Amino acid sequence: EDQVTQSPEALRLQEGESSSLNCSYTVSGLRGLFWYRQDPGKGPEFLFTLYSAGEEKEKERLKATLTKKESFLHITAPKPEDSATYLCAVQEVGGTSYGKLTFGQGTILTVHP
Amino acid sequence: DAMVIQNPRYQVTQFGKPVTLSCSQTLNHNVMYWYQQKSSQAPKLLFHYYDKDFNNEADTPDNFQSRRPNTSFCFLDIRSPGLGDAAMYLCATSRLFNEQFFGPGTRLTVL
Repeated sequence: EDQVTQSPEALRLQEGESSSLNCSYTVSGLRGLFWYRQDPGKGPEFLFTLYSAGEEKEKERLKATLTKKESFLHITAPKPEDSATYLCAVQEVGGTSYGKLTFGQGTILTVHP
Repeated sequence: DAMVIQNPRYQVTQFGKPVTLSCSQTLNHNVMYWYQQKSSQAPKLLFHYYDKDFNNEADTPDNFQSRRPNTSFCFLDIRSPGLGDAAMYLCATSRLFNEQFFGPGTRLTVL
């Protein structure tokens, strides 16, 4: 069974204080690893897809990286508007599902001004 | 703008009173998903469709059913809601094996 574990559960940063969020996964064959941002009371917003170890993607202050066992979401010089829950999800190769995602519990990021 | 639309945004029902949540998309994606998300938890997949092909997760309660009458629309029916069914219900769409795009969700309250 696919397992996705995110750490830390919650992270409080000062504005401008860079840090990283971790997503560890166990899957028999990885088709893709997805990062989403979710604001309170809203649906998740797609950020990145990573497909193979060594791959990196960037968007504004966010950078996602992937190894064979985990992914990191690096946040450089965060701003208060980056405060949200960040969700990681994996998609497995094969099986009978059509692109099913297994989500981690999320990391709640709070950035103080 | 192409998008995923969910109606209603907030739904209040009584214990045992059937409720239907709707989802529509203008993205022309062939896969549609229904997730349940409870407070501070990860989204949990209930079912998904690839075109008309329906996939039910093994642990989705029998109380939950879904319909997809055409490419654009998908419905979630909860036949006899219990207090434990109070949650945010998220609809998502994707091209096969690509990233999923989520709607804003429907917050269900069961009294």
